[in-house]
Amino acid sequence: EVQLLESGGGLVQPGGSLRLSCAASGFTFSSYAMSWVRQAPGKGLEWVSAISGSGGSTYYADSVKGRFTISRDNSKNTLYLQMNSLRAEDTAVYYCAKAEVGATLQGDAFDIWGQGTMVTVSS
Amino acid sequence: AIRITQSPSSLSASTGDRVTITCRASQGISSYLAWYQQKPGKAPKLLIYAASTLQSGVPSRFSGSGSGTDFTLTISCLQSEDFATYYCQQYYSYPQTFGQGTKVEIK
Repeated sequence: EVQLLESGGGLVQPGGSLRLSCAASGFTFSSYAMSWVRQAPGKGLEWVSAISGSGGSTYYADSVKGRFTISRDNSKNTLYLQMNSLRAEDTAVYYCAKAEVGATLQGDAFDIWGQGTMVTVSS
Repeated sequence: AIRITQSPSSLSASTGDRVTITCRASQGISSYLAWYQQKPGKAPKLLIYAASTLQSGVPSRFSGSGSGTDFTLTISCLQSEDFATYYCQQYYSYPQTFGQGTKVEIK
């Protein structure tokens, strides 16, 4: 079964750091680009970052550029999101999502989503 | 960034109704548009990609149309399990952007 399982969320103070992980199973992880998408409480979906299958190319939303870093370890079938200088407005459920078609960042819908991990930034 | 305007933000409908949701992109995105369904406390689920291609396993009462800037999701005969929030997403260019969502509620 194709599955994504996020972990690493929690409560962190403003200015703090957190690293999210997303463990993938049931598909050839390195063959697909991956993204992080977040959803603030009661709000809509916001794309955060994307990484190619090889890990060599990345994109970021302006709202997180310079503070968040996406990476992947294809030997461990795991996607990461390192979040630094966290702000209250980063409070959200963070989902990892698999690109539907392939490994490049050509633009893809997301056919598989994890269950999400909650990040709360508060003092 | 490409802006996506989704409407309506909410609607009330009855089981058996035909429901239409629209998304308008601020610039042409060809057919690089997807539709998702999200139920409370759950992750989004892909319904349609490439504007009109039904994802495997999705009931045929869901359909999508459009290209360029104007897109439509239609649910031909609303079922009880379809009450949820629906989002469109453009993946023509980065940053990828989502519509604001449409909450489909029971009348």
